[in-house]
Amino acid sequence: AQKVTQAQTEISVVEKEDVTLDCVYETRDTTYYLFWYKQPPSGELVFLIRRNSFDEQNEISGRYSWNFQKSTSSFNFTITASQVVDSAVYFCALSEAGRGSWGKLQFGAGTQVVVTP
Amino acid sequence: KAGVTQTPRYLIKTRGQQVTLSCSPISGHRSVSWYQQTPGQGLQFLFEYFSETQRNKGNFPGRFSGRQFSNSRSEMNVSTLELGDSALYLCASSRDSYNSPLHFGNGTRLTVT
Repeated sequence: AQKVTQAQTEISVVEKEDVTLDCVYETRDTTYYLFWYKQPPSGELVFLIRRNSFDEQNEISGRYSWNFQKSTSSFNFTITASQVVDSAVYFCALSEAGRGSWGKLQFGAGTQVVVTP
Repeated sequence: KAGVTQTPRYLIKTRGQQVTLSCSPISGHRSVSWYQQTPGQGLQFLFEYFSETQRNKGNFPGRFSGRQFSNSRSEMNVSTLELGDSALYLCASSRDSYNSPLHFGNGTRLTVT
């Protein structure tokens, strides 16, 4: 069975500090996809980044970066120079897309990020 | 380009009633999925539809059902509502391909009293 663990329940930082969110996953599939979504108070889940199991290259996109390590089954996400607008709940998710099911995601419990001025 | 649209945004129902929620996917998206979000259980997958066929189903009782129409719009129905069905119901759509992540709507907040 697939499982996603986000051990951090809440992280509070002061604006301009960096925030790193941890995500550990479990799957027996050799082909899978990992995602990070953001959920602001409005409720909509906003897609941030995606990584597939064949590509361990870590990237930076604006203030976002991610560290994917298959050896430790981790997919950590970093927000650099945080801003108040980054305050939201962040979810890590695992897809069974390797089985042809693009719409089924296994979500972690989420990490509440609070950025204060 | 319009996003995923869910109606209604808020709904209050009484135990034992039934409810129908609607979802209009992004134009061109043929896959629609539904999720339930509660404080206790988090985000849980309900079901997934593609080309009017249910492709996948989560671990929910038969009171939860859905369907997809030829224009890709989808509805989900919950019969004989229970207090525990109070939740935010999120719909998501995608192009159903490697390059298409799920795009979510704002959700329907259902309260069962």
